[in-house]
Amino acid sequence: SAVISQKPSRDICQRGTSLTIQCQVDSQVTMMFWYRQQPGQSLTLIATANQGSEATYESGFVIDKFPISRPNLTFSTLTVSNMSPEDSSIYLCSVLLAGTDTQYFGPGTRLTVL
Amino acid sequence: AQSVTQPDIHITVSEGASLELRCNYSYGATPYLFWYVQSPGQGLQLLLKYFSGDTLVQGIKGFEAEFKRSQSSFNLRKPSVHWSDAAEYFCAVTYGNKLVFGAGTILRVKS
Repeated sequence: SAVISQKPSRDICQRGTSLTIQCQVDSQVTMMFWYRQQPGQSLTLIATANQGSEATYESGFVIDKFPISRPNLTFSTLTVSNMSPEDSSIYLCSVLLAGTDTQYFGPGTRLTVL
Repeated sequence: AQSVTQPDIHITVSEGASLELRCNYSYGATPYLFWYVQSPGQGLQLLLKYFSGDTLVQGIKGFEAEFKRSQSSFNLRKPSVHWSDAAEYFCAVTYGNKLVFGAGTILRVKS
C-alpha cells in the first residue's frame, strides 16, 4: 500500500471563499483521483488528476468550481472555489499504485461551509 | 450504466454473532470488486478485493467475501463480529480506472 496524507484534515470556511486541499503520497503512483462524500452519502468521483495536464472531470463537476493541479507524480491539490453551504462534505484523494488495480485513500478533509 | 447496490442501509448485530453484508453489481464485463470500511471520522480502508481466480477471498480483520457471477453478488462476511467492527462498509466496482461505490451499509454492534 502507500501512505497518503491530506491537508488540512478539517476546516470551517465562510461562503464565497476558496479552500485548497493538498494530497501527498509517499510513493510513485500512476493515477490520482479526488472524491466528494456529502453528509450521509456515498463517494462520488470529482475528477482524475493528470500529471502535467488538465484534470479529467466527471459529469456534474467543472474546472471553474474544482480546479485541480498535479505538478508531479506524488502530489495533487483540489481547490473548492466560491464555496456555499452545499459544498460541506468530506473530500478524499485516492491513488492507484503502479502495477496494481487497487485504489488507496487518504484520510479525507472534512469541510464545513457557513 | 455500471452500478453497485447495497440493499441494507443499516444493520445491527450482537457482538460475537456472524455478519453478512450484501452487495450486487451491474457491469457488462468481468468486474474488479472491492470492499472498503470507513470508521467514524476516518478515510477508507481496503478490506479485500477480487480480481479473478478463487471466488472466496480473504481480507483483513477476519473478513471474507464470495464472488458469485450467477447472482452478480459480492457479499462480505465475518463469522464473529467485534465491537470495533462498527463502521460504514462500502462495496465498489472498478469501471476502467474509476471506482463506482454502493451507497454503503452502516454496521452497529450491540454488546
